[in-house]
Amino acid sequence: SQLAEENSWALSVHEGESVTVNCSYKTSITALQWYRQKSGKGPAQLILIRSNEREKRNGRLRATLDTSSQSSSLSITATRCEDTAVYFCAAASSGSWQLIFGSGTQLTVMP
Amino acid sequence: EAAVTQSPRNKVAVTGGKVTLSCNQTNNHNNMYWYRQDTGHGLRLIHYSYGAGSTEKGDIPDGYKASRPSQENFSLILELATPSQTSVYFCASGTGGGGTEVFFGKGTRLTVV
Repeated sequence: SQLAEENSWALSVHEGESVTVNCSYKTSITALQWYRQKSGKGPAQLILIRSNEREKRNGRLRATLDTSSQSSSLSITATRCEDTAVYFCAAASSGSWQLIFGSGTQLTVMP
Repeated sequence: EAAVTQSPRNKVAVTGGKVTLSCNQTNNHNNMYWYRQDTGHGLRLIHYSYGAGSTEKGDIPDGYKASRPSQENFSLILELATPSQTSVYFCASGTGGGGTEVFFGKGTRLTVV
């Protein structure tokens, strides 16, 4: 099984609604990153939350980190059609430079 | 803004042929990476580099070689392409370890027939 994994394969919401993508990981980390990938593009970082942080915000985005349960969440409020994308969590393993990506969650925001 | 440019963007290769995917970054980042992306597997690391002249194996290096001739350029080489290597390949660059942001190119879609 993967060392980092989003808990949903796909989610769909209507514009204006809120949505949460969850991620679990199986390694000691220094940080957890969230990336978004739009169709035909490479992933782009949304939020980086370090292991000593519990919450990080970036506009309509809020990431949480619970190192005791080895889980993280990314919440998006007031969703827009342009939020439609694949969302990845990426775990930065302690003692390693590597980023371990999950398989991604396809989020579709409908008008 | 960080810039990572991949070429070609699309490539069709024949089985057994040699394929070279190129990547150029203007960020002056020491670290560069090659990932492949397949449905259901997310991004998997093939090779990476800490700087000019260095290449290291990632999680799935079999069938691939890498070359880092300069700070800016990092190539992925498939000496004998196979259909199982049909995928989307991403190059990325970054300043340090996993606790720092990684900047991705737009990807290369490779089809091996």
